[in-house]
Amino acid sequence: GESVGLHLPTLSVQEGDNSIINCAYSNSASDYFIWYKQESGKGPQFIIDIRSNMDKRQGQRVTVLLNKTVKHLSLQIAATQPGDSAVYFCAEGYTGRRALTFGSGTRLQVQP
Amino acid sequence: SAVISQKPSRDICQRGTSLTIQCQVDSQVTMMFWYRQQPGQSLTLIATANQGSEATYESGFVIDKFPISRPNLTFSTLTVSNMSPEDSSIYLCSAGQGANEQFFGPGTRLTVL
Repeated sequence: GESVGLHLPTLSVQEGDNSIINCAYSNSASDYFIWYKQESGKGPQFIIDIRSNMDKRQGQRVTVLLNKTVKHLSLQIAATQPGDSAVYFCAEGYTGRRALTFGSGTRLQVQP
Repeated sequence: SAVISQKPSRDICQRGTSLTIQCQVDSQVTMMFWYRQQPGQSLTLIATANQGSEATYESGFVIDKFPISRPNLTFSTLTVSNMSPEDSSIYLCSAGQGANEQFFGPGTRLTVL
């Protein structure tokens, strides 16, 4: 298998449980945030984004929460499935820069 | 969302040689970027590929080592020059239309012996 995520913190959950993946970001000027999912051997896959003028955004089975006061971002996955097993990265950016700065990532392992 | 392909998907190269990685997007995009992901680590931005002008490099990355071309709005190349084992990594292309909209290719897995 691929080596991506070997040294990353790991969150292990039971199938059907809810998962919460956390991320601390560094730049108070960041005005948008994106969560990516990276499966072994693949590039990062866009999951959901949120603008800094929001504190919550929901997608299909996923919710992103943003706390600008403490520069914290979380991704909640409802009813976690084996197919959710992957490495999850948060990324931040600001309009003037356009490129993204990635967090260190978390490996999610879903136990059947 | 844009669909992004990269070639080659993987390669094993000898020290001192160069490899050019291609990134093709299925639609015209404003922005294209190149990232590196070393084993077990997160993504690090190498440079922004600017259409019709020189790429914008991040601190620690230089044009002589990582020359980039972007001849049009759907295509870019990254060359890894004079390779050493420390260049072994996954190289990723991303593209998008908006600041909060970036999609990634599958990556190129490079091993330098």
